[in-house]
Amino acid sequence: QKEVEQDPGPLSVPEGAIVSLNCTYSNSAFQYFMWYRQYSRKGPELLMYTYSSGNKEDGRFTAQVDKSSKYISLFIRDSQPSDSATYLCATPTTNTGNQFYFGTGTSLTVIP
Amino acid sequence: DAGITQSPRHKVTETGTPVTLRCHQTENHRYMYWYRQDPGHGLRLIHYSYGVKDTDKGEVSDGYSVSRSKTEDFLLTLESATSSQTSVYFCAISATGGGNTIYFGEGSWLTVV
Repeated sequence: QKEVEQDPGPLSVPEGAIVSLNCTYSNSAFQYFMWYRQYSRKGPELLMYTYSSGNKEDGRFTAQVDKSSKYISLFIRDSQPSDSATYLCATPTTNTGNQFYFGTGTSLTVIP
Repeated sequence: DAGITQSPRHKVTETGTPVTLRCHQTENHRYMYWYRQDPGHGLRLIHYSYGVKDTDKGEVSDGYSVSRSKTEDFLLTLESATSSQTSVYFCAISATGGGNTIYFGEGSWLTVV
């Protein structure tokens, strides 16, 4: 089992839809979680950063962590064509070395 | 932007030739990383550095070497490029401490023919 798993999609939704992107993780000791957005032929950019459980909201984006089920989600409200990208979840490892586990990414297309 | 510059951004090279990719940061972050990203594999760590002259291998380090002679620069060398090393390479940086996060450069597209 990989430390972080993510459904690769692809996911295609109409403009204005609510999008739910999800990851599961293996180690209950993970506490920090990130979501990255990666446009085609660009580097991943940090979108959301959360600690422990609960929700964090930033504009149309909400990141949610459910530690009991080891599940993290990113919700996008009122999705726009500009949201079309690949979304990656990530978490720092718990060992030394300052490394990170990444999901393989979910490809999202928002259709106008 | 995270203050990371990669060069070259695109390169085509022949099998068997050496290639060096450069990463330059302006954030004074301690940790620097080289990843490659391939369809179906996601991001895979090649090598990382935790200080000047301090480096360690990642999960796909064979055929690659790195050097860090200054805090701001991290070089990735493909000693004898092979077609399997055709990929996009991302440099990343991270500060020290728990709860830290990681920031990526714009990528270097390498084609080995």
